[in-house]
Amino acid sequence: GAVVSQHPSWVICKSGTSVKIECRSLDFQATTMFWYRQFPKQSLMLMATSNEGSKATYEQGVEKDKFLINHASLTLSTLTVTSAHPEDSSFYICSARVRDSYGYTFGSGTRLTVV
Amino acid sequence: AQKVTQAQTEISVVEKEDVTLDCVYETRDTTYYLFWYKQPPSGELVFLIRRNSFDEQNEISGRYSWNFQKSTSSFNFTITASQVVDSAVYFCALSPNTGGFKTIFGAGTRLFVKA
Repeated sequence: GAVVSQHPSWVICKSGTSVKIECRSLDFQATTMFWYRQFPKQSLMLMATSNEGSKATYEQGVEKDKFLINHASLTLSTLTVTSAHPEDSSFYICSARVRDSYGYTFGSGTRLTVV
Repeated sequence: AQKVTQAQTEISVVEKEDVTLDCVYETRDTTYYLFWYKQPPSGELVFLIRRNSFDEQNEISGRYSWNFQKSTSSFNFTITASQVVDSAVYFCALSPNTGGFKTIFGAGTRLFVKA
C-alpha cells in the first residue's frame, strides 16, 4: 500500500520550454506532498511543501514563479518547471505524507535534462 | 538548528564484510522521527526504517540493524555480511515534529561492495 506514482521517469526538453511532473497517490490520500531536487552526487534538498487545496510553501532560494506546484486534490500534485534552463537539469522526486499516519512514501523520481 | 550529518562520504568494502554507516543529527525538538533510505543507481528511494524519538530500542531486520542512541544523537546503520546488491547511496533523515513535518536529509554515504 501507500504507492506514489511519479511521471515521467525522465524527460529531455529544450531550453525555454516548460515541463510538468506529476505525482499521484494510488491507494491513499496524500494530505501533504513534498518536492525535492537532487543534483548529481548530492543529497535531496526540499524545494516546497504543498497541502491539498492550499498554496505551496517554498523553501528559501526556490523561485516560486519558476517551479509551479499544484495540489488540487488529495491524490494528485504537480510540479511545473517553467522556462527551463540547463541549470534546472536535476532529479526531482516527490514524497507524500500518508493521511492520519506518520508514514512517508516517495515517488520513483524524474530525471530532467534541459538542452 | 535541524541538521543531519553523515560524515562518511564513501565507503568501500569487500563482500561479506560488515559495514556501519554513521548518522548524527541535531534538533531541539523532543519529538521527531529518524529514517534511513537506500538509493540504488536507478535513483528511486527505498525506505528502510523509521524510528521515533521515544523508542530507543535497537532494531534488526535480516542483515540490517540500527543503533539509536539519544545520548549521542546518533542513529547508525549496520549491514552484516554485505553483498554486492547493497551497493547504493544511503541517506539518513530527520523529521522533527515542528516545521510542518519536513524531512531533512543527510548528505548520504555511497557504499561500494566489491565481489
